[in-house]
Amino acid sequence: AQSVTQPDIHITVSEGASLELRCNYSYGATPYLFWYVQSPGQGLQLLLKYFSGDTLVQGIKGFEAEFKRSQSSFNLRKPSVHWSDAAEYFCAVGAGAQKLVFGQGTRLTINP
Amino acid sequence: SAVISQKPSRDICQRGTSLTIQCQVDSQVTMMFWYRQQPGQSLTLIATANQGSEATYESGFVIDKFPISRPNLTFSTLTVSNMSPEDSSIYLCSVGGGAGTEAFFGQGTRLTVV
Repeated sequence: AQSVTQPDIHITVSEGASLELRCNYSYGATPYLFWYVQSPGQGLQLLLKYFSGDTLVQGIKGFEAEFKRSQSSFNLRKPSVHWSDAAEYFCAVGAGAQKLVFGQGTRLTINP
Repeated sequence: SAVISQKPSRDICQRGTSLTIQCQVDSQVTMMFWYRQQPGQSLTLIATANQGSEATYESGFVIDKFPISRPNLTFSTLTVSNMSPEDSSIYLCSVGGGAGTEAFFGQGTRLTVV
């Protein structure tokens, strides 16, 4: 069965510090992987996606993620966070847009 | 990309009543999805709605509780029937194509049942 694990429920980093959010998945076929961000009271915004090709993908807002098949991971990174990055981050796996399975989410808090 | 509008954005309802949530997309889409996000939880797929056919429900969700309509390629509704406080959640509409495409989400409907 498909599943996504985000081991960190809550992460706090200082503004300007680097960030890495972890995501591990279990999927029976070649996965399509996504990272979404949800700001308070908002819907989900797609940060980036991996379908195939280069395993390091660039997204919006300065985020990037690296697909590592051997580790079944798709970790999200940002070299320097901004206060506006405070939000909930969801990793998801699926066959494109169909029947996405989401992780539990990681809540990011930014210290000034 | 697709722009998705959901109505209402939030509502407070009495237990035992029903609420219908509307999802309007600015372009024709093949597949529409409804998700539930319970407080402090992740998103769970309720059902897939394709135009011209009955919705396909995920395990744990039934048509009597969550009837869905999909009258055309730009619109869908989800009804939460006979509500209880346990139905208090954010309900999100999502659209996407087939394999190799991404999903876009509406702003969600925040439902509180009292």
